[in-house]
Amino acid sequence: GQNIDQPTEMTATEGAIVQINCTYQTSGFNGLFWYQQHAGEAPTFLSYNVLDGLEEKGRFSSFLSRSKGYSYLLLKELQMKDSASYLCAVEMNTGFQKLVFGTGTRLLVSP
Amino acid sequence: SAVISQKPSRDICQRGTSLTIQCQVDSQVTMMFWYRQQPGQSLTLIATANQGSEATYESGFVIDKFPISRPNLTFSTLTVSNMSPEDSSIYLCSVRLVQKLGYTFGSGTRLTVV
Repeated sequence: GQNIDQPTEMTATEGAIVQINCTYQTSGFNGLFWYQQHAGEAPTFLSYNVLDGLEEKGRFSSFLSRSKGYSYLLLKELQMKDSASYLCAVEMNTGFQKLVFGTGTRLLVSP
Repeated sequence: SAVISQKPSRDICQRGTSLTIQCQVDSQVTMMFWYRQQPGQSLTLIATANQGSEATYESGFVIDKFPISRPNLTFSTLTVSNMSPEDSSIYLCSVRLVQKLGYTFGSGTRLTVV
């Protein structure tokens, strides 16, 4: 089986930095994705980590530790439009590739 | 960039009936998947749609309830059969594109069963 856990909800202030954690226990790990989903919309791709370390992409960075089964998404200079759900997803390879999502974190950014 | 057309975007259905959702992609696709997203929750993988053969279902999902077809590389359907109010959810098609990193999602079908 697989477990991919995230905090349910987080709040932060505009301009601040927030870190959203994801822990996972899966078989056949290929890599880890982060997606953003605004209410009523489809998820959109934010980042992908396959090797240990930090991937930086503008205001968003994502970190992966394969040995610890741990990732985080770091959002800097928060803006109101960053209020959304953030979904950690593990790409598994159990004969074929598939994407399995974590529990999701709802982020609320306040002024 | 690739366009994924998912239809219908929403529907209200009577319990006991079935609804077929279509997903059409306008780019080269390697893999296609169907997900369910219940209100306020994350995405749950229903199955991988295999071209020309039976879909591969995740634990808790069965072919009789969620028959899936994929007659060619860029088109798939998901049917929600014998619906009950518990099937009220958003159903999303997802694809792995040949030329793009990551998995891309359709806009979803919001299903309400009354």
